[in-house]
Amino acid sequence: QVQLQESGPGLVKPSQTLSLTCTVSGGSISSGGYFWSWIRQLPGKNLEYIGYISNSGNTFYNPSLKSRVTISVDTSKNQLSLKLTSMTAADTAVYYCAREARGIDVWGQGTTVTVSS
Amino acid sequence: EIVLTQSPATLSLSPGERATLSCRASQSVSYFLAWYQQKPGQAPRLLIYDASNRATGIPARFSGSGSGTDFTLTISSLEPEDFAVYYCQQRSNSFTFGPGTTVDFK
Repeated sequence: QVQLQESGPGLVKPSQTLSLTCTVSGGSISSGGYFWSWIRQLPGKNLEYIGYISNSGNTFYNPSLKSRVTISVDTSKNQLSLKLTSMTAADTAVYYCAREARGIDVWGQGTTVTVSS
Repeated sequence: EIVLTQSPATLSLSPGERATLSCRASQSVSYFLAWYQQKPGQAPRLLIYDASNRATGIPARFSGSGSGTDFTLTISSLEPEDFAVYYCQQRSNSFTFGPGTTVDFK
């Protein structure tokens, strides 16, 4: 079965760029019919959709984050990545990578990112 | 942006009781609504997709209904492991989540 594992820094300074990687195991990120997504959970527990990339390379970004977000795929490494620029304290959250078809059916365990100087 | 409102915020029940959770959308999302369960320290788990379809491995006591703007998640008889937070999510227009309903022990 497909499993996802996020990796990246747990602490980022304000104004810096966050870079996270999600390694996909048990299946290919190139498989058709799926969106590969990033979602975050803010400290108040609200879930916020960041965006996705399809297997054909189409991307969707949350309009509220669009100017700062880039999602990409490295098929040779079977990895999904997220870059979020100009980080502020409001970006402190648990970041999840996930697979979506008609519902988000596979989630990573999540990685906590804190923005602080 | 489509806003999802969930009610109640907290539902206090006992094992064996029936739980009825509501999710209302600010405009129609057709049937493009999913439900998730989240326990402390864990990622959310997909329960229901497209309003009424149970995800793989989800027990039959979980059911979803509704279309348009009003949706319901029903847990027919609560098991101890069902006490958790439940979120709805729409994918009709962009993607948004509701704020969640906590089901806790009475």
